[in-house]
Amino acid sequence: SAVISQKPSRDICQRGTSLTIQCQVDSQVTMMFWYRQQPGQSLTLIATANQGSEATYESGFVIDKFPISRPNLTFSTLTVSNMSPEDSSIYLCSVGGTQGNTIYFGEGSWLTVV
Amino acid sequence: EDQVTQSPEALRLQEGESSSLNCSYTVSGLRGLFWYRQDPGKGPEFLFTLYSAGEEKEKERLKATLTKKESFLHITAPKPEDSATYLCAVQEGGGNKLTFGTGTQLKVEL
Repeated sequence: SAVISQKPSRDICQRGTSLTIQCQVDSQVTMMFWYRQQPGQSLTLIATANQGSEATYESGFVIDKFPISRPNLTFSTLTVSNMSPEDSSIYLCSVGGTQGNTIYFGEGSWLTVV
Repeated sequence: EDQVTQSPEALRLQEGESSSLNCSYTVSGLRGLFWYRQDPGKGPEFLFTLYSAGEEKEKERLKATLTKKESFLHITAPKPEDSATYLCAVQEGGGNKLTFGTGTQLKVEL
């Protein structure tokens, strides 16, 4: 299984600011994804981070709000821009497994916007 | 649109009391059905992927089964350390996106 490290693990952010979350994987992976888990709700896919091209965003998510970088096959960042209290969530990095159709998740980044 | 419904929302069991969690789904062309365990403050931990009706997979006290409309996660003789939220997700054919249910919060008591 892949080992996925996310930074920060937790942060309290001021309204109107932006925060960048990092995701580092211990092996090269083709697919990397970013999910959001709002309080009391399940996971929702924000976007697929594509290496060498722009991320592919799901309906309801836009690049200006959630810019994503994927400079190589082991690293990606998600920025949450101009934050409001509604952005308070867990943000999770996810990767496709190298053995069969397995998808692994990082420990998540818990953001609270005040 | 893909839909995933999990039941019950919460389940309380005594240690050793076996039970099943349900995940019903609607998807056009199932590529895979995933089960995860999520502990408080942590990311989802991968348990199983099922691909076709009739398939079963086991891991310790857990067994996952799949039909054309639903999946069950059977927990045999659970222990307190099995307490967690269990998430089900479906992946539609041709895509990589996982659509999650809202989970079943399991608590196993001594």
